[in-house]
Amino acid sequence: NAGVMQNPRHLVRRRGQEARLRCSPMKGHSHVYWYRQLPEEGLKFMVYLQKENIIDESGMPKERFSAEFPKEGPSILRIQQVVRGDSAAYFCASSPTVVNTEAFFGQGTRLTVV
Amino acid sequence: SQQGEEDPQALSIQEGENATMNCSYKTSINNLQWYRQNSGRGLVHLILIRSNEREKHSGRLRVTLDTSKKSSSLLITASRAADTASYFCATDPGGGADGLTFGKGTHLIIQP
Repeated sequence: NAGVMQNPRHLVRRRGQEARLRCSPMKGHSHVYWYRQLPEEGLKFMVYLQKENIIDESGMPKERFSAEFPKEGPSILRIQQVVRGDSAAYFCASSPTVVNTEAFFGQGTRLTVV
Repeated sequence: SQQGEEDPQALSIQEGENATMNCSYKTSINNLQWYRQNSGRGLVHLILIRSNEREKHSGRLRVTLDTSKKSSSLLITASRAADTASYFCATDPGGGADGLTFGKGTHLIIQP
């Protein structure tokens, strides 16, 4: 059973371009969380999704950011018109159910905006 | 094996007692972080300790770091029912490489 897979591991975008970050949860996991880590800081929660539903997006900026977790395929975190301040590591985690508190983390995608 | 291994995997104590969780890691780090996750919620960042620090306090939390033993401990004093959660340590190698690596967590239950 492969772990949580995120790709790409490293992504470079010019200002104004779009960034698409993918997260494939562990097999059988229907809950996905996205986090952002700025350099030398801790993780900050962004959004919590179940299949086809956004449960909690309180940590996600209202503008330019969106997330989805379709019935088939990976969860996608999309950042439109990226700016330098979007440069960070983005992590996703998955868990099988809301009752089970064990979450498994991917290795993250490092986004650099130039 | 996995970086950031928490110990114990589960811990149940009475309200008011102190709870201690440990974390061991294998490679060099820039900093180590502790997180809490309540059931069905996202992670909450608790405390970050840098590799040149030995101890850090935040409210009822006390974190120690021993880089020679590659281990850290999280102490929660005067525990409350609301402290019931899973606690994760995460290591940051720094230098912009690879981001955080998380352990599997310690599930803490505070009995009222």
